[in-house]
Amino acid sequence: AQSVTQPDIHITVSEGASLELRCNYSYGATPYLFWYVQSPGQGLQLLLKYFSGDTLVQGIKGFEAEFKRSQSSFNLRKPSVHWSDAAEYFCAVGAQNTDKLIFGTGTRLQVFP
Amino acid sequence: SAVISQKPSRDICQRGTSLTIQCQVDSQVTMMFWYRQQPGQSLTLIATANQGSEATYESGFVIDKFPISRPNLTFSTLTVSNMSPEDSSIYLCRGMGVGNEQFFGPGTRLTVL
Repeated sequence: AQSVTQPDIHITVSEGASLELRCNYSYGATPYLFWYVQSPGQGLQLLLKYFSGDTLVQGIKGFEAEFKRSQSSFNLRKPSVHWSDAAEYFCAVGAQNTDKLIFGTGTRLQVFP
Repeated sequence: SAVISQKPSRDICQRGTSLTIQCQVDSQVTMMFWYRQQPGQSLTLIATANQGSEATYESGFVIDKFPISRPNLTFSTLTVSNMSPEDSSIYLCRGMGVGNEQFFGPGTRLTVL
């Protein structure tokens, strides 16, 4: 079955600390992977995506993610978190020739000053 | 990149009534989709809005409850019919453009009393 798992429902970090949000997927075809951020009351904003090539992907707002096929993972990282990064983060997977995205349940990030 | 707008941004409705949500894209997209995000949950695909023909619904969603129209390449509507409190959710429109670019609308926050 196709699925996306985000094991951490809620993460709290101090401003300036490093961050890693986990994402594992189960997908039968070559996966296209996405990370989205949703701020309170807002829609989803694409942070980054992986289709092919370099497995370390750079995104907006200083985020990066690394695709590890052997571990079926696509973890999101940021070396130094800012208070404005507090939001809900969603990992999603799809296939090249399909339109459907499967979303994880999200990780809520809280940032303390 | 495309910009997607939704109307209304939020609404409070009475049980048994219907609400139509509009999704407008500022450029042509190949595909449009409607998602539901129930409180504290991830996004669930309701249906694919097909231009000029009936939408393609996911398991658990039916046309009588969620009629969808897509008269052209930049506009779609989703109606939530005969609403109940369980329909209280955020409803999001998503567009897919050339090169598998993904765009989300800001969402419509619906509360059913």
